[in-house]
Amino acid sequence: DIQMTQSPSSLSASVGDRVTITCRASQSISSYLNWYQQKPEKAPNLLIYAASSLQSGVPPRFSGSGSGTDFTLTISSLQPEDFATYYCQQSYSTPRTFGQGTKLEIK
Amino acid sequence: QVQLVQSGAEVKKPGASVKVSCKASGYTFTNYAMHWVRQAPGQRLEWMGWINGGNGNAKYSQKFQGRVTITRDTSASTAYMELSGLRYDETAVYYCAREISRQDERYMDVWGKGTTVTVSS
Repeated sequence: DIQMTQSPSSLSASVGDRVTITCRASQSISSYLNWYQQKPEKAPNLLIYAASSLQSGVPPRFSGSGSGTDFTLTISSLQPEDFATYYCQQSYSTPRTFGQGTKLEIK
Repeated sequence: QVQLVQSGAEVKKPGASVKVSCKASGYTFTNYAMHWVRQAPGQRLEWMGWINGGNGNAKYSQKFQGRVTITRDTSASTAYMELSGLRYDETAVYYCAREISRQDERYMDVWGKGTTVTVSS
């Protein structure tokens, strides 16, 4: 199975900050990397697919980059509604696997 | 609009089985795969398996092999996930999610709201 490791596991930031979350795969997954946002008691919401493509309806302050084993999710200017948990997920092979999550909290 | 509506919360005893449904609307059910993902309290998302909406072929995580069965009813545009031999630590929210698959892209773009399964004696 492909292991996905995110860092950091938690992060405190302020509104307006630029934030970067990283995700590393245990083997190359090309660009088969997706990012999801999850708020408490809600289902995950797709933000970025294929490493860098912005899902329709997602604000452009979210961006993704990377290929192979190392990926990043960047939020250019944090808004109050962005405080949530973020997961990366590989879709290169089954089993699909997710990172452990990064909880983004208000400083 | 594209929507996945899941069945309601369940409470089951240890060792019992649970069957969760996921009704799709707003798209052609047979053109897409459906995945099942669960999340125990405070834990990461965990993939359980998926089914090809067209031919009905299913594939499962090794972790659940022999205990999980994913099926679909194309006439009802509904997918089902049945998990047997429930344990206390399988108390979780169970999600279905549609997967889009194109060249160089595979991603779960629409999710159900989740079904809470509580395992309790």
